[in-house]
Amino acid sequence: GESVGLHLPTLSVQEGDNSIINCAYSNSASDYFIWYKQESGKGPQFIIDIRSNMDKRQGQRVTVLLNKTVKHLSLQIAATQPGDSAVYFCAENIDKAAGNKLTFGGGTRVLVKP
Amino acid sequence: DVKVTQSSRYLVKRTGEKVFLECVQDMDHENMFWYRQDPGLGLRLIYFSYDVKMKEKGDIPEGYSVSREKKERFSLILESASTNQTSMYLCASTYRVNQPQHFGDGTRLSIL
Repeated sequence: GESVGLHLPTLSVQEGDNSIINCAYSNSASDYFIWYKQESGKGPQFIIDIRSNMDKRQGQRVTVLLNKTVKHLSLQIAATQPGDSAVYFCAENIDKAAGNKLTFGGGTRVLVKP
Repeated sequence: DVKVTQSSRYLVKRTGEKVFLECVQDMDHENMFWYRQDPGLGLRLIYFSYDVKMKEKGDIPEGYSVSREKKERFSLILESASTNQTSMYLCASTYRVNQPQHFGDGTRLSIL
């Protein structure tokens, strides 16, 4: 299959366990953050977002946590499934003056072991 | 659901050719973006557009231009393709600030 990144950090998770993917962001003024999932051969797919006036947001099987003090974002996936195997990217809206321009992290590869 | 469609999944062109990559979105989004994605370098913004006939340079605009004649369509142009432009190209769109960008499935472009 196509490789999104040859040198990505990799998280190996047993099927059924919870996954935690971490991301450090760069700009303390960023006020909007997104997590994307990218499967092999596909474009990034929106998972969940969070604004800086929140520190936690939950979706279906996913939770995003935002720690503005240390500029850290995490994505938690509950009961990880084989279909969760993908590369996960965080993104921040770093420049509000430039509209909705996002800056992306390098990504983390998640491998789910059966 | 938002649909962002890129005209080609795979494209092979020769050095020096003029190459057009097309992107269409069906949700009346104001903002559209072109990225390239390379192993180890992540997603890098080439150009973006806020509205018809508007364009702004991203982080790596050299060797590229864009066209936005209609709201739903955003074209990326490689004026004279070079081998270092071999990459995965991704188009995205979004309605407004602080809304998620929605991506197409990409065009894998090879320049020989």
